[in-house]
Amino acid sequence: AQSVTQPDIHITVSEGASLELRCNYSYGATPYLFWYVQSPGQGLQLLLKYFSGDTLVQGIKGFEAEFKRSQSSFNLRKPSVHWSDAAEYFCAVGDASYGKLTFGQGTILTVHP
Amino acid sequence: NAGVTQTPKFRVLKTGQSMTLLCAQDMNHEYMYWYRQDPGMGLRLIHYSVGEGTTAKGEVPDGYNVSRLKKQNFLLGLESAAPSQTSVYFCASSYSGGRVSAFFGQGTRLTVV
Repeated sequence: AQSVTQPDIHITVSEGASLELRCNYSYGATPYLFWYVQSPGQGLQLLLKYFSGDTLVQGIKGFEAEFKRSQSSFNLRKPSVHWSDAAEYFCAVGDASYGKLTFGQGTILTVHP
Repeated sequence: NAGVTQTPKFRVLKTGQSMTLLCAQDMNHEYMYWYRQDPGMGLRLIHYSVGEGTTAKGEVPDGYNVSRLKKQNFLLGLESAAPSQTSVYFCASSYSGGRVSAFFGQGTRLTVV
């Protein structure tokens, strides 16, 4: 069965600092991987996705993620965090046939001015 | 340009009452999903549908029923609500499974007292 682990429940960074959110997955085949962001009281917005090819993928809002098969990881990064990036971030792995998503527990990002 | 619309946005139920959550999408998507979000657990799949007239169980289907009589609508029913069903419910849709990312609604916050 597929699973996703986000080891960090809560991360606090200063505005302008770099950010890395960790994600580890378990999946039998080539995974379809996603990062979503959720602002308070809102739905989920897709940041980026990986299906195949280049292991470094670029997303919206200046985010990027790197797929590392050997480490079963898909960590999200941003070089310089803005206060508006404060939100909850979810990593997910997708089922190849039906698009069913398995989510991690989420990481809450707090940004200090 | 509504995307995925969920009705209602908030609801308070008494234990044992029934209700139906409506999800409507205007993107002609084949696949639709219902997830529930609970603190520290990410989102978990309740039921999904791969086309009009079809439904299938997800990870946590007990206590819920669904119907997909029209392609654009996916209904989630609670026949006898329990406090354990207090959650935020998200509907999502996608054009197909696998490589296609899903679009999420804004969520329905349900409290069962």
